[in-house]
Amino acid sequence: DTAVSQTPKYLVTQMGNDKSIKCEQNLGHDTMYWYKQDSKKFLKIMFSYNNKELIINETVPNRFSPKSPDKAHLNLHINSLELGDSAVYFCASSREGVSETQYFGPGTRLLVL
Amino acid sequence: AQKITQTQPGMFVQEKEAVTLDCTYDTSDQSYGLFWYKQPSSGEMIFLIYQGSYDEQNATEGRYSLNFQKARKSANLVISASQLGDSAMYFCAMREGYNTDKLIFGTGTRLQVFP
Repeated sequence: DTAVSQTPKYLVTQMGNDKSIKCEQNLGHDTMYWYKQDSKKFLKIMFSYNNKELIINETVPNRFSPKSPDKAHLNLHINSLELGDSAVYFCASSREGVSETQYFGPGTRLLVL
Repeated sequence: AQKITQTQPGMFVQEKEAVTLDCTYDTSDQSYGLFWYKQPSSGEMIFLIYQGSYDEQNATEGRYSLNFQKARKSANLVISASQLGDSAMYFCAMREGYNTDKLIFGTGTRLQVFP
């Protein structure tokens, strides 16, 4: 059983296009996240949602819009894709609390041409 | 200032030997959690081990242990009896008590295990 799943796994697209990445977790967690891993492997939080409510928006351009239809899903929509958006995007989920582990999805490798 | 520092961009270890991956952190919070993740070449992020700031004992999970030195603000990962499959990127991360909604990651250490 997949705990945190993301689709698609790979996404190749042209500059200027709009694309979405979907994320689902079946762990019953209240909190979901989007992280971006750049070409140097650095991982940084983009957004977090708790029970469908936006908690963190970490100075991400407003071309990126997360949407949480329910607490098991957190999708990421990106408008007007730019070359610099090429990265690996990870979805994660956890319970609330400092000791709670975040479990990551397999990642979506986005390449903008 | 860096919240999580991993000073070793790369490490080599021979199979069956132990290896220590360094991690230091910076926080003024009393309550925090420290995590290690493994990222193999296939790309997924695999949770390895957790240490809480109030835990008195060092965490252990199979061949992984965490050498937690609170006063020095270090949380080094020790992998015993290295295996070829341990070759991967390893990330140290922190979750602070006042802001538990994100993990702050270090820059990672690439570990290569050779026969």
